[in-house]
Amino acid sequence: DAGVIQSPRHEVTEMGQEVTLRCKPISGHDYLFWYRQTMMRGLELLIYFNNNVPIDDSGMPEDRFSAKMPNASFSTLKIQPSEPRDSAVYFCASSLKRGGQNGELFFGEGSRLTVL
Amino acid sequence: AQSVTQPDIHITVSEGASLELRCNYSYGATPYLFWYVQSPGQGLQLLLKYFSGDTLVQGIKGFEAEFKRSQSSFNLRKPSVHWSDAAEYFCAVGAGNFGNEKLTFGTGTRLTIIP
Repeated sequence: DAGVIQSPRHEVTEMGQEVTLRCKPISGHDYLFWYRQTMMRGLELLIYFNNNVPIDDSGMPEDRFSAKMPNASFSTLKIQPSEPRDSAVYFCASSLKRGGQNGELFFGEGSRLTVL
Repeated sequence: AQSVTQPDIHITVSEGASLELRCNYSYGATPYLFWYVQSPGQGLQLLLKYFSGDTLVQGIKGFEAEFKRSQSSFNLRKPSVHWSDAAEYFCAVGAGNFGNEKLTFGTGTRLTIIP
């Protein structure tokens, strides 16, 4: 089975530009998470969805960040406008709750964003 | 709010030697605890998890961890490390009805293996 697929793997952009990161979760999974990893802050949960509905976006740093999940197989994280401090690795993860059993989070390989 | 402390930023161990990575957590209720491993340029992979029951948890790749409520710890151990174990290890505590909707990660411990 394919794992969580993220694109692009690497993105270099200039300050002020719009950035869109994409994620395809594992088929059948009902939770999707966006994390950000930096040296300074480590791994931070930005937002997560359950059945395509955003449940908690309290980790989204500011209004420049937005995330959508239009269907069960696709999610985007958008930064507009981007700033150098947004440079990080962004991870998408998905999981499935099975009849009360707590599911494992499966992570994608990440999207490394560099904002110049 | 929950928090996780991994006091060791970097550990170097000889191949074949035993390993213990420390993790302390802070959480008001019964915690859901996890250890993840991250190889360079890769995402995180779950090694093991504790939700309830037996406090000694077995995971993949020969790892185990012990939950000690009195010490608020969940240390990761392996009796004999292999060169392929070199990676970054993250402890996490989960909150939410599901147990892992909101994972709070520690800052990680980088493990180096020397021959």
